[in-house]
Amino acid sequence: EPEVTQTPSHQVTQMGQEVILRCVPISNHLYFYWYRQILGQKVEFLVSFYNNEISEKSEIFDDQFSVERPDGSNFTLKIRSTKLEDSAMYFCASLYQRDNTEAFFGQGTRLTVV
Amino acid sequence: AQSVTQLGSHVSVSEGALVLLRCNYSSSVPPYLFWYVQYPNQGLQLLLKYTSAATLVKGINGFEAEFKKSETSFHLTKPSAHMSDAAEYFCAVSDFSGNTPLVFGKGTRLSVIA
Repeated sequence: EPEVTQTPSHQVTQMGQEVILRCVPISNHLYFYWYRQILGQKVEFLVSFYNNEISEKSEIFDDQFSVERPDGSNFTLKIRSTKLEDSAMYFCASLYQRDNTEAFFGQGTRLTVV
Repeated sequence: AQSVTQLGSHVSVSEGALVLLRCNYSSSVPPYLFWYVQYPNQGLQLLLKYTSAATLVKGINGFEAEFKKSETSFHLTKPSAHMSDAAEYFCAVSDFSGNTPLVFGKGTRLSVIA
């Protein structure tokens, strides 16, 4: 069964460092998303990406964040200068088309900023 | 704007008892509704979805949910809880128009007592 894969599963970084979270969406999917879940809180939308550009972003997704699909398979989330409050589980998701089909989620990357 | 409210951040039931997890939504257009489950240290897995077909939706692992437009609810039920059902459950809403992504509730942690 096709799946969304995320690496690494857990990343520890020092405050102020840059991190790149990687995702490989399902190969024929066209829409890609990043969500985050701070420990004990709800799953929050960060950004959606379609046709090689951001299609929507939340207020959380400020200038410290960027996304990229560098090679047609990977979908990355970069945090330029991490803050303690960036510590969370980050989920990547992909969707074939914008209708009622299922959004498939990866296992998540737990980011810990120290 | 869409939103989801999950009543009860933590629900505890005895093994074999009825599971009822509550979800109310707000949407300006007919919504698509989803329940996702997150087992410890795992990603989000789709349990079931409502996409304007039958109002009673059956999902995996014996779960089902009923869409009630008059009550703006989409409660998740299972007749008999199993120990393996212990997890975090998230209700989500989307209209999938334009770029609107899934909007999640805060989640309900289900504990099953032997």
